[in-house]
Amino acid sequence: LAKTTQPISMDSYEGQEVNITCSHNNIATNDYITWYQQFPSQGPRFIIQGYKTKVTNEVASLFIPADRKSSTLSLPRVSLSDTAVYYCPPQEALIFGKGTTLSVSS
Amino acid sequence: EAQVTQNPRYLITVTGKKLTVTCSQNMNHEYMSWYRQDPGLGLRQIYYSMNVEVTDKGDVPEGYKVSRKEKRNFPLILESPSPNQTSLYFCASWPQGEGGHEQFFGPGTRLTVL
Repeated sequence: LAKTTQPISMDSYEGQEVNITCSHNNIATNDYITWYQQFPSQGPRFIIQGYKTKVTNEVASLFIPADRKSSTLSLPRVSLSDTAVYYCPPQEALIFGKGTTLSVSS
Repeated sequence: EAQVTQNPRYLITVTGKKLTVTCSQNMNHEYMSWYRQDPGLGLRQIYYSMNVEVTDKGDVPEGYKVSRKEKRNFPLILESPSPNQTSLYFCASWPQGEGGHEQFFGPGTRLTVL
C-alpha cells in the first residue's frame, strides 16, 4: 500500500526559499506525485504535479529524483501568505494525512 | 466555472437529528469523495465513489452513509449524528483516467452536533 511521509512542521522567514520533502514508499510505476496547499477553513487546492525530474509553474517547483522514492516541493521567496499546510498524498490511496504545516514569519 | 459546491456551509444540530450535506460538481468527474478534518488528525477519508451507484468505505465510515444516484451529486448522510461527528467536512471530485489527476475540493461544511 502506497504511503507518504513528510515533516509535521517547518518554519521560515519572508523572502527565504523553502523546500519540503516527501517520501513516497511503494509508489506505483504509473502514479504521479501531486502537492496540495490548504489554508485554514478552506479546502486543499492543487499546487503542482509531476512524474519525474523537475516541474515548475508560477507558484512552485517540484523535484523528483530518478528513483521516484521522494519529492521536494520548493517555494521560492516565501511570504506571509504562504503560511499553510502542504500535502503530498499518494495517488492511489487518496489519504491526505496531516501534511506539513509551514509557518512564515516576518 | 469549474467547481465543487457544498451545502450547507455551516450547520448546528442536536444529537440524533438526521441530516444531509450535499455535494455537487459540474466537471463531469467520475470520482467523488468525502473527508473530515479534525485538529491534529489531518484529512481523513469517509467514503468515496468511483461512479454512479459505486461507492466504497474510506478510513472513517462509521456513522455515515452516502449515495451516488447521479454523476454530479454525492450527498453525505448522518442518520443519527453524535457529538464526535462535530468536524469540518470536505467534498472532492476528480476525473478517471491514466496519468496524474487533480482533486478539486469544495469550500467545506462546518458541522457542530450538540
